[in-house]
Amino acid sequence: GNSVTQMEGPVTLSEEAFLTINCTYTATGYPSLFWYVQYPGEGLQLLLKATKADDKGSNKGFEATYRKETTSFHLEKGSVQVSDSAVYFCALSAPDMRFGAGTRLTVKP
Amino acid sequence: DADVTQTPRNRITKTGKRIMLECSQTKGHDRMYWYRQDPGLGLRLIYYSFDVKDINKGEISDGYSVSRQAQAKFSLSLESAIPNQTALYFCATSDPNVQTDTQYFGPGTRLTVL
Repeated sequence: GNSVTQMEGPVTLSEEAFLTINCTYTATGYPSLFWYVQYPGEGLQLLLKATKADDKGSNKGFEATYRKETTSFHLEKGSVQVSDSAVYFCALSAPDMRFGAGTRLTVKP
Repeated sequence: DADVTQTPRNRITKTGKRIMLECSQTKGHDRMYWYRQDPGLGLRLIYYSFDVKDINKGEISDGYSVSRQAQAKFSLSLESAIPNQTALYFCATSDPNVQTDTQYFGPGTRLTVL
């Protein structure tokens, strides 16, 4: 069945460090891929998405590229800020949504 | 005002009690979903509805039921709550007219079953 595996956390970085959170997926067909972010006490919000192979989703300095050959959709940001501290979820839609377990990111000043 | 609202936000109940969690949306979306979130497990789909007359089971529907009272309302019931249903519950909506199935989440309901 369809599934998403993402890097276990927690991840702790200093401000301005480079961030990578790995995500790989298993799916039949061609799913859409997403990264959602959950800030403390809130529901999930869409961060970025990609609908086909080689598409790059980007938002707020975060990027992820849909890599069909490696079935991956890794999240990256060149310089993290304290305000990026949150839980990040990788997800796919094929067509029902499947979420990864989430990766908690803490950015320290 | 929030587009997707959930009531109550927090609930503590006892084993065996019947509980209803409610979700309302003002986004005009046809599709609505109920998920539960557990530490280390991410979100798992309980039930989903693509329109008022459509109800579908998700990954973990056992012990739950739902009702789609209107396009804007989707309720989740636990007929006889048990402690392992303690979790954070999220309602979400999506628009089938948009190519990608972006979901919009409510703020969540924290349920504790003693």
